[in-house]
Amino acid sequence: GAGVSQSPRYKVAKRGQDVALRCDPISGHVSLFWYQQALGQGPEFLTYFQNEAQLDKSGLPSDRFFAERPEGSVSTLKIQRTQQEDSAVYLCASIPTGLAGPSSYNEQFFGPGTRLTVL
Amino acid sequence: QKEVEQDPGPLSVPEGAIVSLNCTYSNSAFQYFMWYRQYSRKGPELLMYTYSSGNKEDGRFTAQVDKSSKYISLFIRDSQPSDSATYLCAMTDFYTGTASKLTFGTGTRLQVTL
Repeated sequence: GAGVSQSPRYKVAKRGQDVALRCDPISGHVSLFWYQQALGQGPEFLTYFQNEAQLDKSGLPSDRFFAERPEGSVSTLKIQRTQQEDSAVYLCASIPTGLAGPSSYNEQFFGPGTRLTVL
Repeated sequence: QKEVEQDPGPLSVPEGAIVSLNCTYSNSAFQYFMWYRQYSRKGPELLMYTYSSGNKEDGRFTAQVDKSSKYISLFIRDSQPSDSATYLCAMTDFYTGTASKLTFGTGTRLQVTL
């Protein structure tokens, strides 16, 4: 079945270049998360969308990072003027609904990630 | 200090061994405790989740949560070479009306040898 897809799978950028990473969530999933996973580390939260609304962007490391989800489905994470410390795997995850409750944890379904290398 | 601490390993065990993985955390607001498995160059996939304290068993896997000690564990019985992967603990609280971000540990790399 169709899961979360991300493109490109691998991206090499020269320092200072702008990059755009795409996430296609599972069809109909309301909530979408972006995470950054540095080598040998666990994923770290970047930002969260519920439909087209960006409800939390507290994890974005600098104003060079920008995310959007204009029609509430596909999302793009853009990094301007890339730096070497931006090298990481960028993971996207989606959830069917925006609600969570005590007995109904909503599993986050992860895509395969985009591996960004900044030279 | 990180909110969630996890020994990165690597941990190498022979096939058939019992594996014990664990995490400690500092945020008492965490309510949901998850274990994700991540194969090389793949995204994390959910193995198990537990709400609040207690034990949960699913086949060869058992998850334990002790909120009083802020300590969670995953046990794998009769480990198989196919279990070789990185195991990530993850936690979240929840807010009514919105989904909640996950806070992950570093991940423990497990190698099960023949």
